[in-house]
Amino acid sequence: NAGVTQTPKFQVLKTGQSMTLQCAQDMNHNSMYWYRQDPGMGLRLIYYSASEGTTDKGEVPNGYNVSRLNKREFSLRLESAAPSQTSVYFCAIYTGSDGNTIYFGEGSWLTVV
Amino acid sequence: GEDVEQSLFLSVREGDSSVINCTYTDSSSTYLYWYKQEPGAGLQLLTYIFSNMDMKQDQRLTVLLNKKDKHLSLRIADTQTGDSAIYFCAERPSGAGSYQLTFGKGTKLSVIP
Repeated sequence: NAGVTQTPKFQVLKTGQSMTLQCAQDMNHNSMYWYRQDPGMGLRLIYYSASEGTTDKGEVPNGYNVSRLNKREFSLRLESAAPSQTSVYFCAIYTGSDGNTIYFGEGSWLTVV
Repeated sequence: GEDVEQSLFLSVREGDSSVINCTYTDSSSTYLYWYKQEPGAGLQLLTYIFSNMDMKQDQRLTVLLNKKDKHLSLRIADTQTGDSAIYFCAERPSGAGSYQLTFGKGTKLSVIP
């Protein structure tokens, strides 16, 4: 997965709890992304970060916050989890090389009960 | 905005060729990607093509692009049971600042032994 590490891999939350999904890359790339994947919906972009210190909303940002404090890490926070946020979350990086490819982490499975 | 459409299911016999189709809407120059997702796993980049190309071949994989019809296909020769997975088509506009991918909903390929 081209050096993209996500934690945790699995998490169960109660409605209203908060948590942070962590993503780290070891290749010094500028652009990082958070997607969510739901059955029958494909992947939808939540937030992305074009460079350290900058973040922008994607297609489905409501209920999430992100933080890009350094080049290596891009975190996704759920402040008050809802059952609708039960999903698989993928972090990705844009390499700017190898044909301008985007590589994904292995995913974080989140269930909100 | 961009839209990417795929058929949801495809079933083929082992040893046959599989053809997975995708249509997209962005008329500007763009990169087009194929990703593979096995159950419980992340997305694996299979191949990509830039919109000024008509075809790209990589071992058993052949990507064909019809720019006029905005139609992309992925052909898998000699399909094996290990090819059973969900295949995602994705589009990314070229140009400065265009880092986001738009995904189709995925085609589930089932290979019958």
